[in-house]
Amino acid sequence: EVQLVESGGGLVQPGGSLRLSCGDSGFSFSSYTMNWVRQAPGKGLEWVSSISSSTRYIYYADSVKGRFTISRDNAKNSLDLQMNSLRAEDTAVYYCARGGSGGTPVLYYFDYWGQGTVVTVSS
Amino acid sequence: EIVLTQSPGTLSLSPGERATLSCRASQSVSSSYLAWYQQKPGQVPRLLIYGASSRATGIPDRFSGSGSGTDFTLTISRLEPEDFAVYYCQQYGSSLTFGGGTKVEIK
Repeated sequence: EVQLVESGGGLVQPGGSLRLSCGDSGFSFSSYTMNWVRQAPGKGLEWVSSISSSTRYIYYADSVKGRFTISRDNAKNSLDLQMNSLRAEDTAVYYCARGGSGGTPVLYYFDYWGQGTVVTVSS
Repeated sequence: EIVLTQSPGTLSLSPGERATLSCRASQSVSSSYLAWYQQKPGQVPRLLIYGASSRATGIPDRFSGSGSGTDFTLTISRLEPEDFAVYYCQQYGSSLTFGGGTKVEIK
């Protein structure tokens, strides 16, 4: 069974940094594009970033470009999101989500989601 | 950026009724790269439909997707009690964007 588990969320002051992680079980992690999607309290879904299976292709939403960095370690089956210069508007539940594999586009739909980790940016 | 507009914002229906949800794109979505998700309160989004009309694994056949270009529809043929939730469309043909969601509530 596919399982994605996020960690690293918490309370951080504006301008601060936080590193989120996502671990997996149940599938061939290195074969899949992986993604971060967030949801602000009471709001809709917002795509944050995607990374291809080989790490060759990386994409960011304009709202986080230059501040967030996505990375993965296929040997450890882990996905990370380094978040710097955090703002109040970055407050959200952050989900790790599985994308496509085997030559599908990097930007794809998400078939499995983790339970999410809460990031709160506040003084 | 392709903007997705979902309508209506809220749909009030009774169990057994048919639900029709709309997702309109500001530009044509290439290759019908359009997905639908269901999210219940306090739960994680669940993939329902991808490629505009293909049901994801384990999704009941009362859920169906249709459309192409800029106009897409999610239809729930007969609402079950567990179908009352928020539904999001997502396009992945040009970058990646989500619609604002449609809440299907019990009338």
